Amino acid sequence: EDQVTQSPEALRLQEGESSSLNCSYTVSGLRGLFWYRQDPGKGPEFLFTLYSAGEEKEKERLKATLTKKESFLHITAPKPEDSATYLCAVQAFEAAGNKLTFGGGTRVLVKP
Amino acid sequence: DGGITQSPKYLFRKEGQNVTLSCEQNLNHDAMYWYRQDPGQGLRLIYYSQIVNDFQKGDIAEGYSVSREKKESFPLTVTSAQKNPTAFYLCASSIKENQPQHFGDGTRLSIL
Repeated sequence: EDQVTQSPEALRLQEGESSSLNCSYTVSGLRGLFWYRQDPGKGPEFLFTLYSAGEEKEKERLKATLTKKESFLHITAPKPEDSATYLCAVQAFEAAGNKLTFGGGTRVLVKP
Repeated sequence: DGGITQSPKYLFRKEGQNVTLSCEQNLNHDAMYWYRQDPGQGLRLIYYSQIVNDFQKGDIAEGYSVSREKKESFPLTVTSAQKNPTAFYLCASSIKENQPQHFGDGTRLSIL
């Protein structure tokens, strides 16, 4: 069974204080790993897809990396507007319906 | 603008009542999905449809039903058999299997 564990559950940062979020996964064969951002009361917003170990993707202050067992989302010099819940999900090659298996998320609060 | 529209934003259900959540997309995506989100838990797949007139059960389909009569629409009915329906319901769609799923802004269902 595919599993995704995100840590920490919550993270409080001062503006400008860089940090990393972890997504550990077990999957039969990884088709893709997806990062989303979710604001309160809203649906998840797609950020990145990573397909193979060693791959990295960047968008503004966010950088996602992938190994064979985990992914990291690095937040560099965060601003208050980066406050959100960040969700990680995996998709297996054999996943019925191409379903995503999600972790529980990391709630990030960036204080000015 | 292309996107996924979910309605209503808030919904209240009485005991013994069936309620239907609407999901419409104008992205021309073939695949559509329904997820349930509970506090502190990852999103869980209820039903999915990869093509019109076909749909499959996800991990937690009991007490729910769907239809897919049009490519653009994938309504979810929460039946009276679902004993714990209070949750945030999210609809998603994707163009093909290894592409990211895009989400609507959800419907929050509560029990009166």
